[in-house]
Amino acid sequence: AQKVTQAQTEISVVEKEDVTLDCVYETRDTTYYLFWYKQPPSGELVFLIRRNSFDEQNEISGRYSWNFQKSTSSFNFTITASQVVDSAVYFCALNNNAGNMLTFGGGTRLMVKP
Amino acid sequence: KAGVTQTPRYLIKTRGQQVTLSCSPISGHRSVSWYQQTPGQGLQFLFEYFSETQRNKGNFPGRFSGRQFSNSRSEMNVSTLELGDSALYLCASSEFGTDTQYFGPGTRLTVL
Repeated sequence: AQKVTQAQTEISVVEKEDVTLDCVYETRDTTYYLFWYKQPPSGELVFLIRRNSFDEQNEISGRYSWNFQKSTSSFNFTITASQVVDSAVYFCALNNNAGNMLTFGGGTRLMVKP
Repeated sequence: KAGVTQTPRYLIKTRGQQVTLSCSPISGHRSVSWYQQTPGQGLQFLFEYFSETQRNKGNFPGRFSGRQFSNSRSEMNVSTLELGDSALYLCASSEFGTDTQYFGPGTRLTVL
């Protein structure tokens, strides 16, 4: 069975602070894919990144960066210089390559205050 | 390209009724997946359709069913509604050969 844990249910920061959202996963598969999605108040899940289990390179996209470590089964997400528009619920998800079936973590609600 | 669209956006039903939700995937996407989001259970996978065939199914009772049409549009049906079926139902589509799913805005179902 697969499992994704996002231990931080809610984080509050002041604008321009850096913030890291944690994600720990469990799977017995050797091939799998990890995702991060953002859910603003409108409700739609917005795709942010996909990483496969064989690619442990960290990735940076603007103010966003992701740190994938297989040794600790973690796929953490950092927002640098946070902005009010970053306020949303962020979900980490896992796909074990058996079709398009995502297992989601419980989500982390990020509140960025001006 | 237009994104994933879902209709209706909001729905209010009473216990015992049935409901049908519709999803139109991004043009060219052949896989459609459905998810249920509730405050208590979070985001849970319902089922996935590809080329009109159900490819995967989550752990939901038989009251939840779906289908996909030849144009890749999908519908999900919930029969004999229960209060606990109140949720945001999200549809996602992906291209053949990829697993990145793009989500629609969801249908918020309230069961009274």
